[in-house]
Amino acid sequence: EAGVAQSPRYKIIEKRQSVAFWCNPISGHATLYWYQQILGQGPKLLIQFQNNGVVDDSQLPKDRFSAERLKGVDSTLKIQPAKLEDSAVYLCASSLLGQMNEQYFGPGTRLTVT
Amino acid sequence: DQQVKQNSPSLSVQEGRISILNCDYTNSMFDYFLWYKKYPAEGPTFLISISSIKDKNEDGRFTVFLNKSAKHLSLHIVPSQPGDSAVYFCAALKGGNTPLVFGKGTRLSVIA
Repeated sequence: EAGVAQSPRYKIIEKRQSVAFWCNPISGHATLYWYQQILGQGPKLLIQFQNNGVVDDSQLPKDRFSAERLKGVDSTLKIQPAKLEDSAVYLCASSLLGQMNEQYFGPGTRLTVT
Repeated sequence: DQQVKQNSPSLSVQEGRISILNCDYTNSMFDYFLWYKKYPAEGPTFLISISSIKDKNEDGRFTVFLNKSAKHLSLHIVPSQPGDSAVYFCAALKGGNTPLVFGKGTRLSVIA
């Protein structure tokens, strides 16, 4: 079974530029999560989708971050404009509907903002 | 406000010995706890979990102990192997459809 796919794996941008990350969850997984992991910290949930609807985006900085999950499968996370403090690993995870305790993580995208 | 705390950033253990990783939590509403393992350049992978109705769960070399009165859990790895070298995250859930809350992680190094 294929795991959660993410791209790109690494991205370096200058502050104030825009960037987008892509995630393809495990087939059949209705719930998709985006996490931000800053160096030395644990992952922090940014947004959770159930199919193509948002369940929780309470920790998403909505002035600069946006995410969508069209057709309830793939998802993109965008940052516009980026700040230095956005440097982190962005992890995508997926699970069967409502199975918060059985999340499968992708390899992440390491973003460096200079 | 760190609801899940892993106070040891790193731990070194000799191969064959026991590794004990600790985790404390502050929210008594948490009712399910998980440990994830993370290798460099990979996402976290699920290792073992425990429900708050239990005080111990064992899976091969890995055992998780939960002390609800102390709001403390620990992961024991016996015997430790070099391949266990990774960052271990403790995470907690509070029922229903609420987000996983992660600790900062503990880097385990198992020395051959």
